[in-house]
Amino acid sequence: AQSVTQLDSQVPVFEEAPVELRCNYSSSVSVYLFWYVQYPNQGLQLLLKYLSGSTLVKGINGFEAEFNKSQTSFHLRKPSVHISDTAEYFCAVSPFPLSGGYQKVTFGIGTKLQVIP
Amino acid sequence: GAGVSQSPSNKVTEKGKDVELRCDPISGHTALYWYRQSLGQGLEFLIYFQGNSAPDKSGLPSDRFSAERTGGSVSTLTIQRTQQEDSAVYLCASSLGKRASYNEQFFGPGTRLTVL
Repeated sequence: AQSVTQLDSQVPVFEEAPVELRCNYSSSVSVYLFWYVQYPNQGLQLLLKYLSGSTLVKGINGFEAEFNKSQTSFHLRKPSVHISDTAEYFCAVSPFPLSGGYQKVTFGIGTKLQVIP
Repeated sequence: GAGVSQSPSNKVTEKGKDVELRCDPISGHTALYWYRQSLGQGLEFLIYFQGNSAPDKSGLPSDRFSAERTGGSVSTLTIQRTQQEDSAVYLCASSLGKRASYNEQFFGPGTRLTVL
């Protein structure tokens, strides 16, 4: 079984300041890692993913995340946030898929990023 | 192209009534998932379909919850005798469902269910 811990439920940050949203996971098998973003009254959108290879992953809207296997972390960062980044961010984990194509994804409880003008 | 659509977008019902929530996945996506998003709870997995069968329905919280999928396309989540604790946003996602490879899940906008 897998689990995801997002340590901060809310993160306020001033516009143009850097931000880091923390995520730790637990799994007994190899996993894929994801960050999703949910804007108000919308569904989830994939921000970035780690499948294999380079541990530094770049996503949309200037976000990036680094996979740290020893610390079982996958923190999300952005060097300079905009008002439009105000949203809820979900870290998620999925084991390597079963042969039938099943991709069970376990989500964290989410971190609300509030960008202050 | 069209994404995942869900209907209705909002549903208000009285305790004890039955409700049906609909999901139209992306055309050609064989895998379909239902999740529940409750305040402060994150996303909770409910059920997974591959084609019309449901190999994993371990997340359905009680026997009041059921889901079906027909024609390998549209899926309906039914909640019988709704309770106030069923109030949440119900999200549907679909993916290609290819064997032994990464399959991105694409999410619909959700149905917000309020049980009075």
